[in-house]
Amino acid sequence: NAGVTQTPKFQVLKTGQSMTLQCAQDMNHNSMYWYRQDPGMGLRLIYYSASEGTTDKGEVPNGYNVSRLNKREFSLRLESAAPSQTSVYFCASSEGGSSGNTIYFGEGSWLTVV
Amino acid sequence: GQQLNQSPQSMFIQEGEDVSMNCTSSSIFNTWLWYKQDPGEGPVLLIALYKAGELTSNGRLTAQFGITRKDSFLNISASIPSDVGIYFCAGQEYGNKLVFGAGTILRVKS
Repeated sequence: NAGVTQTPKFQVLKTGQSMTLQCAQDMNHNSMYWYRQDPGMGLRLIYYSASEGTTDKGEVPNGYNVSRLNKREFSLRLESAAPSQTSVYFCASSEGGSSGNTIYFGEGSWLTVV
Repeated sequence: GQQLNQSPQSMFIQEGEDVSMNCTSSSIFNTWLWYKQDPGEGPVLLIALYKAGELTSNGRLTAQFGITRKDSFLNISASIPSDVGIYFCAGQEYGNKLVFGAGTILRVKS
């Protein structure tokens, strides 16, 4: 089972460049999420999509945009990368609909902005 | 926003010892989750707790959902080298948004 797949695994960007992180899940989940992980800060929610066609801001949305392309795919875009966006990014998904649904994570994308 | 206080920040223990870590929140959660993250990987769910007072085990792991719904603990019995990693607690609100603790780094000395 692939579960949650995200690409690329590693990326180095120059300040001001743009890029899109891709995420796809094969579990027929309704909800998808993007988190970033920084040392000593746990995982912080950037954006989430409770269902196909909807997106909402999380805790740290500034500098990011998202697209819920279809039920399977949820992409994260950095329009003008900044060094503060150097981080590990995790995509996740869950069945959604009510509390108590397990969230499953991808393997992460390591992004460095120089 | 809501915050979780997870402690300890790191632990360095002898193989075979028991380990305990906990999370507290100023707010009530409906679900508590415990994840483990190995180096270079994404977090993997260890235990999910859905009811206040619930005590759940998964092998050598035991976790409890606090009665007040504002805290949870995770115990690992008889630690082994493969237990190393970062352990995260997470509280889940309605609508599935998770709030994560900062993590506990576990190092096991064999």
